[in-house]
Amino acid sequence: EAQVTQNPRYLITVTGKKLTVTCSQNMNHEYMSWYRQDPGLGLRQIYYSMNVEVTDKGDVPEGYKVSRKEKRNFPLILESPSPNQTSLYFCASSLTKGPLPYGYTFGSGTRLTVV
Amino acid sequence: AQSVTQLGSHVSVSEGALVLLRCNYSSSVPPYLFWYVQYPNQGLQLLLKYTTGATLVKGINGFEAEFKKSETSFHLTKPSAHMSDAAEYFCAVTPSAPYGGATNKLIFGTGTLLAVQP
Repeated sequence: EAQVTQNPRYLITVTGKKLTVTCSQNMNHEYMSWYRQDPGLGLRQIYYSMNVEVTDKGDVPEGYKVSRKEKRNFPLILESPSPNQTSLYFCASSLTKGPLPYGYTFGSGTRLTVV
Repeated sequence: AQSVTQLGSHVSVSEGALVLLRCNYSSSVPPYLFWYVQYPNQGLQLLLKYTTGATLVKGINGFEAEFKKSETSFHLTKPSAHMSDAAEYFCAVTPSAPYGGATNKLIFGTGTLLAVQP
């Protein structure tokens, strides 16, 4: 089944403890992206990647890192998480270098709580 | 900067009633427009999209949306609500690139939570 898989689905961690949220797609998509979803703010883009070894900042990149060493994987790294990074995170991918013409395929989300 | 505004963070309708979810965009040139749906504890799923051509776009689950350039709107409608339509709905825009075509950004609105009453 074609899908974007995120792990873990739920994570509670403490301030300052490094964590990684994994994202993997099995559709040979070129474009991958991370979003965070907060009440009243919708989805905001954190980072995106147009291809292997090509990444760029989105609208809210502070406090996050990403890497794209393989086409299928796009992990999100929080080196020193803080409570304001408590959020619902989504990974998305696209066959083309953007949302056209097929739109994005989204993962099921990772709910992160930083205490 | 281009943006998307969804009027009404919460909308409640009765089962069988018309669903109307509003979306207005801000753009100097016509963008590409999307509606996504998010069911509880799931990721976002594409409902429909407008790129070019016919301004009335039909999507999945009986939803449709009409692109109105003069009103800079892309409202989502469904003639008869079903209980299974209860979800959060997001309007999104991909800005047009200066040289033509689309950029690779997807800008989301803040979402509208649809409740369907029996």
